[in-house]
Amino acid sequence: GAVVSQHPSWVICKSGTSVKIECRSLDFQATTMFWYRQFPKQSLMLMATSNEGSKATYEQGVEKDKFLINHASLTLSTLTVTSAHPEDSSFYICSARDTSGSSSYNEQFFGPGTRLTVL
Amino acid sequence: GQQLNQSPQSMFIQEGEDVSMNCTSSSIFNTWLWYKQDPGEGPVLLIALYKAGELTSNGRLTAQFGITRKDSFLNISASIPSDVGIYFCAGRGPPQGGNEKLTFGTGTRLTIIP
Repeated sequence: GAVVSQHPSWVICKSGTSVKIECRSLDFQATTMFWYRQFPKQSLMLMATSNEGSKATYEQGVEKDKFLINHASLTLSTLTVTSAHPEDSSFYICSARDTSGSSSYNEQFFGPGTRLTVL
Repeated sequence: GQQLNQSPQSMFIQEGEDVSMNCTSSSIFNTWLWYKQDPGEGPVLLIALYKAGELTSNGRLTAQFGITRKDSFLNISASIPSDVGIYFCAGRGPPQGGNEKLTFGTGTRLTIIP
C-alpha cells in the first residue's frame, strides 16, 4: 500500500515553455501532498505544500506564480513550471501522507520523481 | 530552507561491515525518519521514530531517537550490495503552522567497495 506515482518520469523542454508534472496517490487518499526539488548531489528541499481544495502553501523563496500547484482531488496534485529556464532543471519529487491507518507508517511516501531538463 | 547536519557525508565500506551514520539539529523534533534513495528514484521510508530515546529495528537496520530530541542515528549491520545508496534523515517539528513538513538531512552516500 501507500504507492505514489509521478508522470512524466522525465521531460526535456525548450526555455520559455511550461511543463506540468502529475503526482497521484494510487491506493490512498491524500488531503495534503508535498512538492520537493532536488539538485544533483544535494538533499531534498521542500517547495510547497499542496492542500486539496485550497491554495498551496509555498516555502520562502519559491515563486508561486512560477510554480503553479493544483490539488484538484484527493488523489491528484499537479505542479506546473511556467516559462521554464535552464536553472529550473532539476529532479522534482512529490510525496503524500497516508493518514488512513492502513500503512505501517503514517508518514510521507514519495513518488519516483520527475527529471526536468530545460534547454 | 533549514537542513539537518548529517554525517558522514560519504562512506566507503566492504561488504559485511557495519555502518553508522547520524543526524543532528539545532531544533527539537517530535519525529525522526530515515529514508534511502537510489539514483533517479524517490526516497523510500526505512524507519520512523516517535519518542525520545526510542530504539527501533527494521531487519538489519536500527535507529534511535536521541534523548535530547535533537539527534538520531542509523546503524546498518552486515552490509550487502543492495545497501548502496543515499541515506537521508528527516525531522518533523512540534505542532506549528507547518506541522506536517519534514526537514531533510544533507545525506550520507554509502558505497560498497568490492
